[in-house]
Amino acid sequence: NAGVTQTPKFQVLKTGQSMTLQCAQDMNHEYMSWYRQDPGMGLRLIHYSVGAGITDQGEVPNGYNVSRSTTEDFPLRLLSAAPSQTSVYFCASSGTGRLDQYFGAGTRLSVL
Amino acid sequence: GQQLNQSPQSMFIQEGEDVSMNCTSSSIFNTWLWYKQDPGEGPVLLIALYKAGELTSNGRLTAQFGITRKDSFLNISASIPSDVGIYFCAGLNYGGSQGNLIFGKGTKLSVKP
Repeated sequence: NAGVTQTPKFQVLKTGQSMTLQCAQDMNHEYMSWYRQDPGMGLRLIHYSVGAGITDQGEVPNGYNVSRSTTEDFPLRLLSAAPSQTSVYFCASSGTGRLDQYFGAGTRLSVL
Repeated sequence: GQQLNQSPQSMFIQEGEDVSMNCTSSSIFNTWLWYKQDPGEGPVLLIALYKAGELTSNGRLTAQFGITRKDSFLNISASIPSDVGIYFCAGLNYGGSQGNLIFGKGTKLSVKP
């Protein structure tokens, strides 16, 4: 059972570069979300989606874009990376009406 | 925005000891979740609480949803080395959607064999 799969696991970018963090789930979950985790800050919600074609902003959306063209995939795009975006990024999903989210293993991003 | 105050920030205990950690908020929540994160991994759900006063166990773990709806605690009995990790509480306020799940900053647990 794959669950929630994130790629890549590690990434180093230069300031100004763009990239897409991939997230896929095979549980037919409607709800998907992206968090960033920084030391001493816990998990902060970036963007979330309640279904294909529907996205909304979380607590810290600036500098990130998302789209949800299929139920399975929810990519996170950094258009112009900044050192402040150095963090560990987690994707999560849950079924409709359920609050227990399943998390991926994370992507560790460094922006130099 | 809303915040969850999770304490303690870190704990260093001896194997076999019991552990207690809690989360408090100035706002009412109608759902509390407790997660554990192992080093290098994503958080994994331990216990979900949906009613005020609810007491739920999962093996050596016991969590309670406070009567005031503003707090929750997690107890671990007879700790073992594999309990090491970061424990997060998360809360959802009344009427909120899944996008309104708020996480505490975590309690880092270290267990000495």
